[in-house]
Amino acid sequence: DGGITQSPKYLFRKEGQNVTLSCEQNLNHDAMYWYRQDPGQGLRLIYYSQIVNDFQKGDIAEGYSVSREKKESFPLTVTSAQKNPTAFYLCASSPTGDPYEQYFGPGTRLTVT
Amino acid sequence: AQKITQTQPGMFVQEKEAVTLDCTYDTSDPSYGLFWYKQPSSGEMIFLIYQGSYDQQNATEGRYSLNFQKARKSANLVISASQLGDSAMYFCAMREWGTYKYIFGTGTRLKVLA
Repeated sequence: DGGITQSPKYLFRKEGQNVTLSCEQNLNHDAMYWYRQDPGQGLRLIYYSQIVNDFQKGDIAEGYSVSREKKESFPLTVTSAQKNPTAFYLCASSPTGDPYEQYFGPGTRLTVT
Repeated sequence: AQKITQTQPGMFVQEKEAVTLDCTYDTSDPSYGLFWYKQPSSGEMIFLIYQGSYDQQNATEGRYSLNFQKARKSANLVISASQLGDSAMYFCAMREWGTYKYIFGTGTRLKVLA
């Protein structure tokens, strides 16, 4: 089945450590996205990528980094510079062109202590 | 600048009744799309319905319909015959055509009562 996988579902890290969240899609979508969601809040865009080897900062990119070396993969690294990294992280993809909705992965809940 | 506003943080509805979730948006671009997503407690985002800015008719998908009032810049979601499984967070989102950036509202938490 086509879809988006994020692993792991739950992730625990100590403060000061970098951590990488995985996102893979087999939908053949060009565009991929990372969102952060805090309890009771909406989705805030961290980074997005329209094409391989290209990505743009979203609204809250500070303390995060991404890469897009393959069409299927868009990993997100939460660095030690991110002040409040504990959150729910959602990866999404969409075809290019209009109109298309985004398809979401199941999310990764990151807890940093 | 693009903006989505959902003014209802929480809503209750009796099972089998209809409910309307409000969404207003702001954009200066004439070409855009509006989306509604459902987020159950499991966390995944489920796409429900889409409305294009040039669509003449309101979108419908099963028990979901979108009340699109372009002049008022509103795109309210109507859920008919509510079910207990409809209890979830609901997000309204918008994307201007030609861009790849989706803007989300803060969501409405719907609780369906038995």
